[in-house]
Amino acid sequence: AQKVTQAQTEISVVEKEDVTLDCVYETRDTTYYLFWYKQPPSGELVFLIRRNSFDEQNEISGRYSWNFQKSTSSFNFTITASQVVDSAVYFCALSGLNDYKLSFGAGTTVTVRA
Amino acid sequence: DSGVTQTPKHLITATGQRVTLRCSPRSGDLSVYWYQQSLDQGLQFLIQYYNGEERAKGNILERFSAQQFPDLHSELNLSSLELGDSVLYFCASSVDWGSYNEQFFGPGTRLTVL
Repeated sequence: AQKVTQAQTEISVVEKEDVTLDCVYETRDTTYYLFWYKQPPSGELVFLIRRNSFDEQNEISGRYSWNFQKSTSSFNFTITASQVVDSAVYFCALSGLNDYKLSFGAGTTVTVRA
Repeated sequence: DSGVTQTPKHLITATGQRVTLRCSPRSGDLSVYWYQQSLDQGLQFLIQYYNGEERAKGNILERFSAQQFPDLHSELNLSSLELGDSVLYFCASSVDWGSYNEQFFGPGTRLTVL
């Protein structure tokens, strides 16, 4: 069974601060896929990134960056110079090679104050 | 906008009733997934269809059923509704059935059972 743990329930920062969201996963699969989704106050789930288990390169997309470390089973997400529009719930998710579903963490609520 | 549409956005009904939630996947996507989101259980996978065939089942109650039609839209039928069914239901779609695919989510249907 796949398991995703997002230990941080809520994070509150002031605009322009950096914020890092932790994601730790458990799986017995050797091939698996990790995802991050954003759920803004409007409620829809927005896909942010997918990472394959065999690709440990970190990725940067604008103010967003992801740090994948297989040795610690972590896939952390950093928002640099946060903005009020970054306020949302962020979910980390995992699927194994033979899964058809996403297993989601509980989510981390990020509040960015002006 | 993910390209996945869900109707209705909100649905209010009474206990014991039956409702149908509708989902249209992104153009070109063959796979449809249903999830529910609640405060206590988080995001939970219900069922997946690929090109009209049921592909995987999660924690879907026997009172719930789904199908995917030849035009690839999907419907989730919820019957004998209980107060506890009052949660947010998401539909997602992906290109094919593989676990490596990004799943793109619709805006959700919020069900309220009175």
